[in-house]
Amino acid sequence: GAVVSQHPSWVICKSGTSVKIECRSLDFQATTMFWYRQFPKQSLMLMATSNEGSKATYEQGVEKDKFLINHASLTLSTLTVTSAHPEDSSFYICSAPSGTGHYGYTFGSGTRLTVV
Amino acid sequence: GENVEQHPSTLSVQEGDSAVIKCTYSDSASNYFPWYKQELGKRPQLIIDIRSNVGEKKDQRIAVTLNKTAKHFSLHITETQPEDSAVYFCAARDDKIIFGKGTRLHILP
Repeated sequence: GAVVSQHPSWVICKSGTSVKIECRSLDFQATTMFWYRQFPKQSLMLMATSNEGSKATYEQGVEKDKFLINHASLTLSTLTVTSAHPEDSSFYICSAPSGTGHYGYTFGSGTRLTVV
Repeated sequence: GENVEQHPSTLSVQEGDSAVIKCTYSDSASNYFPWYKQELGKRPQLIIDIRSNVGEKKDQRIAVTLNKTAKHFSLHITETQPEDSAVYFCAARDDKIIFGKGTRLHILP
């Protein structure tokens, strides 16, 4: 079945540094990738939608200059958390439509980001 | 945009009993309603889904019902087992999937 490979699975970084998270579709073309953030004991909140070859669409309240999204190819979308702070510590997960008629969605395995 | 409400936030049921989780959505254009089970620190796992042209779908102990007029959909788990303990999320999709806040289900021995 469709697989989205997400890396890294966890990362610890210092405040002020940037972290890049990659999501790669392995056996299908992901023209769209959804990026979610999940704080402990909370739901998955949609941050942005990336589309191959065009600018990402950000949800209200999400800083586009802080969360840089690139979708340069049909199989790779990246999220870069710039100038990370402790409050950015969260579980980040991507998802791409992969089913027939795009009713099915495949999730990456998630990235646990800890900013110290 | 779409808004999905989910209730209850926590649910405890005796092993063998049924569990029901309810969701409402706001965007009448939403046409796909998946349910996910999430274990701590892992990705959500699709357990069942329903499209807007169907009122009910069943898969063994799990069933989902959809009332498009009322914009309600529900998850029913029968004969609950300890391994059903997890967090469950409903979701609704028009052009993107929006999740409910989740229900933590505890199956009591």
